[in-house]
Amino acid sequence: EAQVTQNPRYLITVTGKKLTVTCSQNMNHEYMSWYRQDPGLGLRQIYYSMNVEVTDKGDVPEGYKVSRKEKRNFPLILESPSPNQTSLYFCASSPLRGSPYGYTFGSGTRLTVV
Amino acid sequence: DAKTTQPTSMDCAEGRAANLPCNHSTISGNEYVYWYRQIHSQGPQYIIHGLKNNETNEMASLIITEDRKSSTLILPHATLRDTAVYYCIASTNNNAGNMLTFGGGTRLMVKP
Repeated sequence: EAQVTQNPRYLITVTGKKLTVTCSQNMNHEYMSWYRQDPGLGLRQIYYSMNVEVTDKGDVPEGYKVSRKEKRNFPLILESPSPNQTSLYFCASSPLRGSPYGYTFGSGTRLTVV
Repeated sequence: DAKTTQPTSMDCAEGRAANLPCNHSTISGNEYVYWYRQIHSQGPQYIIHGLKNNETNEMASLIITEDRKSSTLILPHATLRDTAVYYCIASTNNNAGNMLTFGGGTRLMVKP
């Protein structure tokens, strides 16, 4: 089944403890992206990647890192999480270079930082 | 990307057509209109998109006015499972980094 898989689905962590949220897609998509969703603020893009080894900042990149060493994986790294990073996170991929109609989203990761 | 304006919420009776409006008065000639929906904190799901002509697929129809300043998403026979937040997005189909700028969307409640 074609899908974007995020792990974990739920995570509670403490301030300052490094964590990684994984994202993997099995559709051979070039484009991948991370979003966070907060009440009243909607979905905001954190980072995106146009291809392997090519990443760039989105609208809210502060406090996050990403890497794209292989086409299928695009992990989101929080080196020192803080409570303001408590949010619902979504990974997405697209089959063509930046084709908006082809986005497939993962099921989300609900992160709580205490 | 052009700004879009949608009603905050709408109700629809089950089995009836749901018509969701979107205003995009500043849309440029090369911007498409895209519709996504999000069901209760799941990942957003692509519904349909169009440029000038009306479009129809197995999920919905998209009606774009001739001046392209507004559009309407039509769910012909709404079911309870169509209850979701619907996002209208105006975006170019180019290689820019962020093609999907989500606004507040319309919360559609389908009632029995």
